[in-house]
Amino acid sequence: KQEVTQIPAALSVPEGENLVLNCSFTDSAIYNLQWFRQDPGKGLTSLLLIQSSQREQTSGRLNASLDKSSGRSTLYIAASQPGDSATYLCAVAGGTSYGKLTFGQGTILTVHP
Amino acid sequence: DVKVTQSSRYLVKRTGEKVFLECVQDMDHENMFWYRQDPGLGLRLIYFSYDVKMKEKGDIPEGYSVSREKKERFSLILESASTNQTSMYLCASSSMRYTEAFFGQGTRLTVV
Repeated sequence: KQEVTQIPAALSVPEGENLVLNCSFTDSAIYNLQWFRQDPGKGLTSLLLIQSSQREQTSGRLNASLDKSSGRSTLYIAASQPGDSATYLCAVAGGTSYGKLTFGQGTILTVHP
Repeated sequence: DVKVTQSSRYLVKRTGEKVFLECVQDMDHENMFWYRQDPGLGLRLIYFSYDVKMKEKGDIPEGYSVSREKKERFSLILESASTNQTSMYLCASSSMRYTEAFFGQGTRLTVV
């Protein structure tokens, strides 16, 4: 059974710092990996999708990498801002049922001015 | 923009009631999903559907059923609501396999 782990569970940084969130998964037979953002009491917003054949994806200040063989992904946030404060979730799609996501527990990010 | 819309943001229901949570997507996606999210347990898949009238159980289907009569609509049914079904419910959709999942805004259900 796929298991997804995110480290750290919480992170507090001053504004302007570059930071890295980590995600690991136990079964490397994935179809894609997706990073989401969740604000308190709200739904999930898709940030980046990396297909299994890709190594990385970029969107603005965000860059996500994927190393399938080692079962790892990282989300890099450049020049963090207070508006980046949220919970970041990593999810992998794979296994016997296509499109079904297995989520990590998330990293709670706080960026203080 | 893809839009996934859940019928309610907040619901309060009584124990034993039959509860319907509705989800509509506007992008002709084949796949639709229902998850619940609880502190300390994360997001867990309840049911999903890959086509009209097709459904598969997720990790925690007990106490729930689903209906997909039209491609754009996926309903989650709590047959007899219980207090342990108090949770945040999230609907999602995606096109075909391997592509990006989009989520609704969530429904906070409280069963009293």
